[in-house]
Amino acid sequence: RKEVEQDPGPFNVPEGATVAFNCTYSNSASQSFFWYRQDCRKEPKLLMSVYSSGNEDGRFTAQLNRASQYISLLIRDSKLSDSATYLCAVNGFGNEKLTFGTGTRLTIIP
Amino acid sequence: DAGVIQSPRHEVTEMGQEVTLRCKPISGHNSLFWYRQTMMRGLELLIYFNNNVPIDDSGMPEDRFSAKMPNASFSTLKIQPSEPRDSAVYFCASSPTSGRAAGELFFGEGSRLTVL
Repeated sequence: RKEVEQDPGPFNVPEGATVAFNCTYSNSASQSFFWYRQDCRKEPKLLMSVYSSGNEDGRFTAQLNRASQYISLLIRDSKLSDSATYLCAVNGFGNEKLTFGTGTRLTIIP
Repeated sequence: DAGVIQSPRHEVTEMGQEVTLRCKPISGHNSLFWYRQTMMRGLELLIYFNNNVPIDDSGMPEDRFSAKMPNASFSTLKIQPSEPRDSAVYFCASSPTSGRAAGELFFGEGSRLTVL
């Protein structure tokens, strides 16, 4: 089983819709969780950290489910500019090493 | 503030040649990471350093790959000899180990390597 798994997509979603991605991880001792966004031919950039209690940043909501070992990202009222690949990243306990999923490709359709 | 700076941005070389990729992390960041990204395998961690010391190189594919960090502001990833399967985008990232952004990776723009 891969350490971090994501549905690669593609997700083709109409503008204004709500879309959600999940990401599962295998190491139950993992402590830190992140969502990164990567535009075509660009570097990944941090979108948001994922806290145990869940967190929201504008149209974006991230949640952690430790029991089932997954994190999720919800995007409401999607915009054309949300089109990108979304990578989840997880690190182990006491470990700076971040393992990335292969990414979920999202395209917002006008 | 300058971000992570990588060079070269693009390199095309022939099989068997030596390739050296360079990285300047963000000043004050204690950790430096080298990742490789391909369509098939996604982002793979090759090696990371903490305070210039290699901590985990388990992702380095084989002896053809080596990485150094002689000081806090410079790191190299060397491939010798290069092979076509090494073609990928190589990202360097740095991270602070304390403060609000602790654990967050800041990536350079990447070095796109093509080995013919």
